[in-house]
Amino acid sequence: GENVEQHPSTLSVQEGDSAVIKCTYSDSASNYFPWYKQELGKGSQLIIDIRSNVGEKKDQRIAVTLNKTAKHFSLHITETQPEDSAVYFCAASNEGNTPLVFGKGTRLSVIA
Amino acid sequence: EAGVAQSPRYKIIEKRQSVAFWCNPISGHATLYWYQQILGQGPKLLIQFQNNGVVDDSQLPKDRFSAERLKGVDSTLKIQPAKLEDSAVYLCASSFGGVETQYFGPGTRLLVL
Repeated sequence: GENVEQHPSTLSVQEGDSAVIKCTYSDSASNYFPWYKQELGKGSQLIIDIRSNVGEKKDQRIAVTLNKTAKHFSLHITETQPEDSAVYFCAASNEGNTPLVFGKGTRLSVIA
Repeated sequence: EAGVAQSPRYKIIEKRQSVAFWCNPISGHATLYWYQQILGQGPKLLIQFQNNGVVDDSQLPKDRFSAERLKGVDSTLKIQPAKLEDSAVYLCASSFGGVETQYFGPGTRLLVL
């Protein structure tokens, strides 16, 4: 089955700097890669996703890149703000056929 | 639009006791998921419903866990009897169809003593 590895487990950045979180997956059939932001006491929120027919997707300060050959995808947050502090999870699935498999999460701290 | 509702938010029980969690998905969402998230790990799917039918329960420990989704709307997840290793956050999520974005509830934090 699918296995998703996520790095780093913790990340501290200065406000205004960029943050990058990387994930690798094992199942070449996976074609859907969402990123979720989890804040204490709140539900996990989808922040961006990418499907295997594109290599990059951007939404304001957030971008995701996908390298299907290497089987890895990354989340990029630019101009970080304190409210970006949270735990971020990547996931992978063969959309419609297999369930989402999540990485172990990255705790991002943005220091003002 | 109201989000996914879950209750209770916290529960403390002793091992061998029973516990039940409730989830009300977003209105109109046909697919409902229950996940278990152990501290320091990502969510792991326990069971997926499409309307009131089970799509995937391959990772549900069926000797102690059960779930139902009567009438294809809200759902309950039960653990009987609970073990120490069941301490985790239980997340409910829903989506419009089987391949749409999943929306998560706030979760129920369970502590088994």
